[in-house]
Amino acid sequence: KAGVTQTPRYLIKTRGQQVTLSCSPISGHRSVSWYQQTPGQGLQFLFEYFSETQRNKGNFPGRFSGRQFSNSRSEMNVSTLELGDSALYLCASSLVWGYSNQPQHFGDGTRLSIL
Amino acid sequence: AQSVTQLGSHVSVSEGALVLLRCNYSSSVPPYLFWYVQYPNQGLQLLLKYTTGATLVKGINGFEAEFKKSETSFHLTKPSAHMSDAAEYFCALETWGTASKLTFGTGTRLQVTL
Repeated sequence: KAGVTQTPRYLIKTRGQQVTLSCSPISGHRSVSWYQQTPGQGLQFLFEYFSETQRNKGNFPGRFSGRQFSNSRSEMNVSTLELGDSALYLCASSLVWGYSNQPQHFGDGTRLSIL
Repeated sequence: AQSVTQLGSHVSVSEGALVLLRCNYSSSVPPYLFWYVQYPNQGLQLLLKYTTGATLVKGINGFEAEFKKSETSFHLTKPSAHMSDAAEYFCALETWGTASKLTFGTGTRLQVTL
C-alpha cells in the first residue's frame, strides 16, 4: 500500500514569490493535515481538511492556505514568501476526521528554502 | 490548552543499553498520546499510540511506552539500543474535540554509540 506522497521534495524560491505544495494521501484516507517543521518552532499544525472542507486551522497568517479535492488530494499554497517560511512542510493523512484511534501517517515532506 | 514537554533535547546511549526518552503532557481532558520517530530527510513514522485501555503500549522496533495519568507522563523505552535507533523522537498529544490536530513536543535526538 503506497504511503503519503508529497511533491516536490525540494523547492527553492525567492522572497515575494508564491508556492504550491501537493499531497496525495494513502488510498482510502479522507483526512489530510499539514504541519510546518522548523528548527526554532518545531512542529506546528497548519490546517486540516476533510471532505473538501477545512475543519481546523492553526495560528498562521492568511498567506498560508490550502484546499482538498474530491479525491482527497490536498494542496497548500503560501503567497508572498518570507525568509521565515523556509521549513519542512509535512502532510499527514488519516482514515477519517475526528477519530483519534486512527493515527496520522506522514509523508516525507517538502523542504522549502527561501532565498 | 494542552502541551507536551520532552525532557532532554539530546540523549546519548551505548549500543545495548536501555533507552529512556521522557515525555510529560498537560491536558484538561483525557489525551491520546503518540510517539513518532523521524530519520534524516524523512517524515514522521508512528512508533506507538495510547488511546484507551491498557496503559503499557507496545510499538514497532521493540519500543514501548507506559501511560501514567497520576504523573502525566508517557515515557518511551527500549531495553537494548541499536545503532539503527539513532533518530529524532517526538511525543505528541491529541485530545477529543481537536480532531486530528497533533500537539508535538520539541523532540529528543537519540544518539547511539558503540
